Amino acid sequence: ELKVEQNPLFLSMQEGKNYTIYCNYSTTSDRLYWYRQDPGKSLESLFVLLSNGAVKQEGRLMASLDTKARLSTLHITAAVHDLSATYFCAVPFSYNNNDMRFGAGTRLTVKP
Amino acid sequence: GAVVSQHPSRVICKSGTSVKIECRSLDFQATTMFWYRQFPKQSLMLMATSNEGSKATYEQGVEKDKFLINHASLTLSTLTVTSAHPEDSSFYICSAPDRGGSPLHFGNGTRLTVT
Repeated sequence: ELKVEQNPLFLSMQEGKNYTIYCNYSTTSDRLYWYRQDPGKSLESLFVLLSNGAVKQEGRLMASLDTKARLSTLHITAAVHDLSATYFCAVPFSYNNNDMRFGAGTRLTVKP
Repeated sequence: GAVVSQHPSRVICKSGTSVKIECRSLDFQATTMFWYRQFPKQSLMLMATSNEGSKATYEQGVEKDKFLINHASLTLSTLTVTSAHPEDSSFYICSAPDRGGSPLHFGNGTRLTVT
């Protein structure tokens, strides 16, 4: 059974600081997705990582994928309050499908 | 960009009644759609895969007779929660891919409260 583990589950940061969220998964996959969810809202797609070594950056967020280690990271640089949200990584069950297994989520709070 | 529309966004119903949630792909065809459930402060759990022209595939532990899924066309899937109970209160989210490898497009979700 595919398992997706995120850590930390809760993260409280000061503005301006850096931190990394980790996502480990248990079976072979060459794709991984990162999503953001604000309270009471649906999911917003952040990154699609489609191959080993993929690195993508958008603003203060950067995501990477190591398929050999079955590990993805979401790095936050110089955090700002607007980044406060819950972040999920997700791995598809199979290449031809898009049924996702989600990590438990990391609830990020950025404090002034 | 591709958009998935979900309706209603919020519904309150009494125990024992049924509720239908619609999920539409607005500018693309989706032969497959996915239904997720999210309890407060928890992650998304896949409930079922909706397949146009065939029966839905349910995840283990999800009652297919309680959560009826109909994929009526290439742009519409519906989830009906039958004989709803308070424990069915949750946030239900649908999603659809528009091509392999692209990020799933999520509906805005439906918050169901059963009283």
